[in-house]
Amino acid sequence: AQSVTQLGSHVSVSEGALVLLRCNYSSSVPPYLFWYVQYPNQGLQLLLKYTSAATLVKGINGFEAEFKKSETSFHLTKPSAHMSDAAEYFCAVSLLGANSKLTFGKGITLSVRP
Amino acid sequence: NAGVMQNPRHLVRRRGQEARLRCSPMKGHSHVYWYRQLPEEGLKFMVYLQKENIIDESGMPKERFSAEFPKEGPSILRIQQVVRGDSAAYFCASSLTVGSWDDNEQFFGPGTRLTVL
Repeated sequence: AQSVTQLGSHVSVSEGALVLLRCNYSSSVPPYLFWYVQYPNQGLQLLLKYTSAATLVKGINGFEAEFKKSETSFHLTKPSAHMSDAAEYFCAVSLLGANSKLTFGKGITLSVRP
Repeated sequence: NAGVMQNPRHLVRRRGQEARLRCSPMKGHSHVYWYRQLPEEGLKFMVYLQKENIIDESGMPKERFSAEFPKEGPSILRIQQVVRGDSAAYFCASSLTVGSWDDNEQFFGPGTRLTVL
């Protein structure tokens, strides 16, 4: 079985500040890990994924995440927030890659202050 | 290449009616997944289908819910005798069958927002 914990429901940062969104997972086997972004009234868009290759994963829109097995974490970061980054972010885990069910965290809403 | 299509985008039903949600996967994709997003919650997996087969339905409620993905046409998620607790956003995703699993991803549709009065 697998699960994802995203602590907190809302993060607010100033434009230009560092973005850090936390994700911890639980998995009985080496996991595949994903970060998705959801804009209001839209579907989910993949930001990046970890598939057992490099532990530091770079994604779209300047986001990156680091897989830390010892901490069972996959935190999402971006050095400088932009107003357009305001959205809801979901961390997800699967056991067999994309062709199997995804287990999502509850999501974190990111607000960006001017 | 068109993305994952879902219709209707918004659906209003009265308690006891049936809801039929449709999902057309991306061209060439034969894996379809349905997820439900309740207010203030993350997405919850419901069912995983390939053409004419249900692969994993571990997230489907035992009663009133069914899903199909016929050889021709879209995937259908059917909810019979809807109740207020069924009000949610229902998302469909699709993925490829070929290539490395490492290279695949699930592409999501815009969702159907079901409101039960």
